[in-house]
Amino acid sequence: GAGVSQSPSNKVTEKGKDVELRCDPISGHTALYWYRQSLGQGLEFLIYFQGNSAPDKSGLPSDRFSAERTGGSVSTLTIQRTQQEDSAVYLCASSLFWNVGTDTQYFGPGTRLTVL
Amino acid sequence: EDKVVQSPLSLVVHEGDTVTLNCSYEVTNFRSLLWYKQEKKAPTFLFMLTSSGIEKKSGRLSSILDKKELFSILNITATQTGDSAVYLCAATNNAGNMLTFGGGTRLMVKP
Repeated sequence: GAGVSQSPSNKVTEKGKDVELRCDPISGHTALYWYRQSLGQGLEFLIYFQGNSAPDKSGLPSDRFSAERTGGSVSTLTIQRTQQEDSAVYLCASSLFWNVGTDTQYFGPGTRLTVL
Repeated sequence: EDKVVQSPLSLVVHEGDTVTLNCSYEVTNFRSLLWYKQEKKAPTFLFMLTSSGIEKKSGRLSSILDKKELFSILNITATQTGDSAVYLCAATNNAGNMLTFGGGTRLMVKP
């Protein structure tokens, strides 16, 4: 596709349930990023993938969060045993390479997660 | 083409010094400017600036945006060795579908 796509656009879940968020990056982009944006806050870096390398998980807020990227393309962010504080907009972005300073990241529309 | 430029590239100071990091941007339909601190790999969010002339402050760190001159500064007063990191500036557009990073400023604070 022409841009980054994410699904679902909205997800309402009950506390304690698991959720999966999907991201399809721009074709050919090797780097993929997940961010979280809580109300009124800036983008919180969660995890990123560079090509087929193991992801950097140091930004994940807890061990309930995990992400994988299959075949160097589509990525899934999984949140287990959701908590109310997980409610936020989850944004995915991709860039041609992982090279902060020379590459622009292109964002998907986000998934708004609401945990009741 | 959207561009974010940071200066200086690197900076070495001693504990207690005050530093000012610069970020200039040229972004079509600019919306916000963000500052991050990167110590290991994943950057840590510091500030988001949307309005011109309003200082944001967190402890010894403060930042301000000038939308007329298209730049932002990040000030760190009474620096400590724990402030040593790469400081990244990034700009978003109105559509919220692009985030352009600057090259970063590497700050080293010596005891």
